[in-house]
Amino acid sequence: SYVLTQPPSVSVAPGKTARITCGGNNIGTKSVHWYQQKPGQAPLLVIYYDIDRPSGIPERFSGSNSGNTATLTISRVEAGDEAEYYCQVWDSSGDHLRVFGGGTKLTVL
Amino acid sequence: QVQLQESGPGLVRPSETLSLTCSVSDYVISSRSYWAWVRQPPGKGLQWIGTIYHTGKTFSNPSLQSRVTMSVDTSKNQFSLRLTSVTAADTAVYFCAREVGGHDYYMDVWGKGTTVTVSS
Repeated sequence: SYVLTQPPSVSVAPGKTARITCGGNNIGTKSVHWYQQKPGQAPLLVIYYDIDRPSGIPERFSGSNSGNTATLTISRVEAGDEAEYYCQVWDSSGDHLRVFGGGTKLTVL
Repeated sequence: QVQLQESGPGLVRPSETLSLTCSVSDYVISSRSYWAWVRQPPGKGLQWIGTIYHTGKTFSNPSLQSRVTMSVDTSKNQFSLRLTSVTAADTAVYFCAREVGGHDYYMDVWGKGTTVTVSS
């Protein structure tokens, strides 16, 4: 089955740029979606189809995807961005599985 | 605005069956969307359980497939999950979500989640 690999943690100072990676075999050929989850809350979609932002998500959130790595970039990081972030793909081969990465805890210093 | 709400027992005995329902508000469940179940064990990441279309077509995580049954009740605008032969490893917060998309699907609306504990 398809595996997505995320770093367990990323730390960044307020106002700086955070980059969270999601690795997978030829992930650039798939669409990657990103979710933000704060403690005790449901996940929130922040990026879909690699680069698109749902309504209400700040422009500070952006995404890219190429080769074997997809990246969620958060510019001008704020304290409120501290959360767990998950990438997700739809594995269209075989049984149309949905796969999540292991999650990355973003800490704002 | 679409809302999803999970409901079901918070405590299930080992070896018994976990049953959850997700009620959908302000959206017709038979519209062009899929409906997913995702769970999160304490302190761990998200695990996709399975997805169902309003026609009844289902897709499941291979690791759970043999124990998972999903269904849709269009008359009640809700969908359900049954997980049989539960163990302590099935203790988790269970979320339902709407999947949308065209060539690919993502989960754009989530329920708040419901905690299920498996214990005697």
